[in-house]
Amino acid sequence: LAKTTQPISMDSYEGQEVNITCSHNNIATNDYITWYQQFPSQGPRFIIQGYKTKVTNEVASLFIPADRKSSTLSLPRVSLSDTAVYYCLVVKTSYDKVIFGPGTSLSVIP
Amino acid sequence: GAVVSQHPSRVICKSGTSVKIECRSLDFQATTMFWYRQFPKQSLMLMATSNEGSKATYEQGVEKDKFLINHASLTLSTLTVTSAHPEDSSFYICSARRTESTYEQYFGPGTRLTVT
Repeated sequence: LAKTTQPISMDSYEGQEVNITCSHNNIATNDYITWYQQFPSQGPRFIIQGYKTKVTNEVASLFIPADRKSSTLSLPRVSLSDTAVYYCLVVKTSYDKVIFGPGTSLSVIP
Repeated sequence: GAVVSQHPSRVICKSGTSVKIECRSLDFQATTMFWYRQFPKQSLMLMATSNEGSKATYEQGVEKDKFLINHASLTLSTLTVTSAHPEDSSFYICSARRTESTYEQYFGPGTRLTVT
């Protein structure tokens, strides 16, 4: 299973763009990159998933360089409600299980 | 779409009793479901992978006789914590993977278990 590395914590002011980078050096050809958000005492919530280049949805963008050894989750104009833990996961299409790393605890400051 | 529910959302039980937690995929079929536990300020730890109609696969260090998993249908998996002890108190989260997709995984809201 591909191991991921991301910052343990980040702080940001309200209204700023936040970029969280995740390293996954041993990502395999058939792996997807998925990001989840988790609030205290809740299950993780799917944010975005991608394979290469750039993916955008209504809440975030995901940038994946050509070598796919890293990815960056971009949250535009964060608000206090974006304070949460963000997990970067590498998901294999041929394996069943997903292993969570420690995630990045994002604190948005007024 | 892709909603996963858990019941109960929180439960308090006495030491030595058993507790059953249900995980349901409400609007899709899930051949595979997963059970995680999460302690305060920690990440999710995978306990077991549950496949419909077959025995669950437990992660190393997870006691299969203590954490009984049953996946009897494509929309329901249950986790039974047998002879619960205070150290089993934790947040238990299930997730379900769509039958037609091997990489889309949706999580339930979690169950807070407190053993007194």
